[in-house]
Amino acid sequence: SQQGEEDPQALSIQEGENATMNCSYKTSINNLQWYRQNSGRGLVHLILIRSNEREKHSGRLRVTLDTSKKSSSLLITASRAADTASYFCATPIQGAQKLVFGQGTRLTINP
Amino acid sequence: GAVVSQHPSRVICKSGTSVKIECRSLDFQATTMFWYRQFPKKSLMLMATSNEGSKATYEQGVEKDKFLINHASLTLSTLTVTSAHPEDSSFYICSARGLGNIDSPLHFGNGTRLTVT
Repeated sequence: SQQGEEDPQALSIQEGENATMNCSYKTSINNLQWYRQNSGRGLVHLILIRSNEREKHSGRLRVTLDTSKKSSSLLITASRAADTASYFCATPIQGAQKLVFGQGTRLTINP
Repeated sequence: GAVVSQHPSRVICKSGTSVKIECRSLDFQATTMFWYRQFPKKSLMLMATSNEGSKATYEQGVEKDKFLINHASLTLSTLTVTSAHPEDSSFYICSARGLGNIDSPLHFGNGTRLTVT
């Protein structure tokens, strides 16, 4: 089944720096979604970008989508300690209603 | 809005017993709920898709007789792990999508940590 691959698997930066995470996927998509998961908790939806969009912003989040390269990136600007979490990209399987998640990036923000 | 409540958050059971996990959409109706399993520091693995009033659709490799799913109403889906074994120990997460666009984001419960001794 289609599954995103994320890069890097783990990222550790200092508070205030920007964090960039990348996601690649395999087949055509209608949209790509990013989720956040705090340790031992469920996932929280962050942002959805549609296949006809190239960039989208939400607060300190910036998502890009390059359908020709089948890749997306999530940028968190001016990171805070509270941004420490795992971040997953997810894509709906074409014509189906279910989401398949990437492997995730574990982000650690050091105070 | 769009709150999904999952209960219990943690459960410890003995090998051979069954455990039921509930997933409720509190402020919206969910025609479709999804059950995921997550191993430590790994991604979410989709186990099954639960549709209200019909049988669940299981992913390849997931034993339907072991992981019983019931979606009896538009706000409740349950996952029962039958005859649990230590290898069933994992983090189980449910999610729900409201009525309407199938491309809309999912809303997740906070997960259930199952430990089988």
